[in-house]
Amino acid sequence: EAGVAQSPRYKIIEKRQSVAFWCNPISGHATLYWYQQILGQGPKLLIQFQNNGVVDDSQLPKDRFSAERLKGVDSTLKIQPAKLEDSAVYLCASSRTPNGELFFGEGSRLTVL
Amino acid sequence: AQKITQTQPGMFVQEKEAVTLDCTYDTSDQSYGLFWYKQPSSGEMIFLIYQGSYDEQNATEGRYSLNFQKARKSANLVISASQLGDSAMYFCAMRPIGMSGGSNYKLTFGKGTLLTVNP
Repeated sequence: EAGVAQSPRYKIIEKRQSVAFWCNPISGHATLYWYQQILGQGPKLLIQFQNNGVVDDSQLPKDRFSAERLKGVDSTLKIQPAKLEDSAVYLCASSRTPNGELFFGEGSRLTVL
Repeated sequence: AQKITQTQPGMFVQEKEAVTLDCTYDTSDQSYGLFWYKQPSSGEMIFLIYQGSYDEQNATEGRYSLNFQKARKSANLVISASQLGDSAMYFCAMRPIGMSGGSNYKLTFGKGTLLTVNP
């Protein structure tokens, strides 16, 4: 069984530019999560999807971050415009059900200069 | 609201010795689950062990065991016979065990402990 796939693994941009990250969850997993992990901190949930609906986006900075999961499978997280403080690893995770075990991807490391 | 506290930013251990990584938590939920994850330099979060709040026995998984003290709200991870490959960041996390709404299952992480195993 393939794991959670994320791309790109690394991205360097200048502030005020835009960036997008892609995540393909494990097949059959209805729940998808995006976490932000700033260096030296634990992951923080940005948004949780159940199929193609948003369950929790309370910590998503909606003025610059957006995420979608249009067909209930893969998902895209976008940042526009990026700020220096957005430098972090963006982890995608999926689970079969909302209370099921989370499986994480390897993350996308963003550096904003 | 849930809060996880890991007070050890870094820990060192000699190969083949045991090490305890501390974790305390705070929650108003009656039922909850506690998790430990390992994050090597590659970045992936690897699930290690789980303890339910109503589990009477401490969880064990191979060389990993969870020292769960509910009254003290602590869930320390014990790694026995440390190996060089155990060098990584370790995160304690928790989530409520509820019956309604996906958002009730949000997984909250601590800041992590960087473990270095010396040869």
